[in-house]
Amino acid sequence: GGIITQTPKFLIGQEGQKLTLKCQQNFNHDTMYWYRQDSGKGLRLIYYSITENDLQKGDLSEGYDASREKKSSFSLTVTSAQKNEMAVFLCASSISTTNSDYTFGSGTRLLVI
Amino acid sequence: GDKVKQSPSALSLQEGTNSALRCNFSIAATTVQWFLQNPRGSLINLFYLVPGTKENGRLKSAFDSKESYSTLHIRDAQLEDSGTYFCAAEDSNYQLIWGSGTKLIIKP
Repeated sequence: GGIITQTPKFLIGQEGQKLTLKCQQNFNHDTMYWYRQDSGKGLRLIYYSITENDLQKGDLSEGYDASREKKSSFSLTVTSAQKNEMAVFLCASSISTTNSDYTFGSGTRLLVI
Repeated sequence: GDKVKQSPSALSLQEGTNSALRCNFSIAATTVQWFLQNPRGSLINLFYLVPGTKENGRLKSAFDSKESYSTLHIRDAQLEDSGTYFCAAEDSNYQLIWGSGTKLIIKP
């Protein structure tokens, strides 16, 4: 079976800092996603990518950059961390955008002090 | 308003009892998925549904695209069923729209 790995699991940053989150999958899935989850809320799409070097903006792309350097990896950058920000960032992959049977990583928990 | 509305927002059940969670859609959903986020934060995919029903152990889910809703039934609730249940509907642009979750607590 495959696995989707997010690093780091926990991230503490300072206000204004640029922070990068990484995601790797070995399913050979074409499509990868970054979601943000705030406490008690549903998931909001930040960016997704349908293939290597492709980037598509989601509802919440402002304040973030993303990079799909290769098919197996998708990274997300918080361009300027906001003070007291606390959220979980979830990476997911699926075979394609038309087959949305998703597999999720276990998340990166961000705290900005 | 919410495109995917989950109810109830929170639920407390005695171990061994049954319950149903519901998602109503104001979009034309083509598929629905149900996820459990366990207390450690990991998201587990429970069901991926086209219109119809699926069953897996003590869980059963139904998706009615004409009436725009989906349900998740939990039979004989166990302590490990605790967590937050999310439904997500795929719209006509292949985007997943998420509900805000139902927080379920199972009491011994």
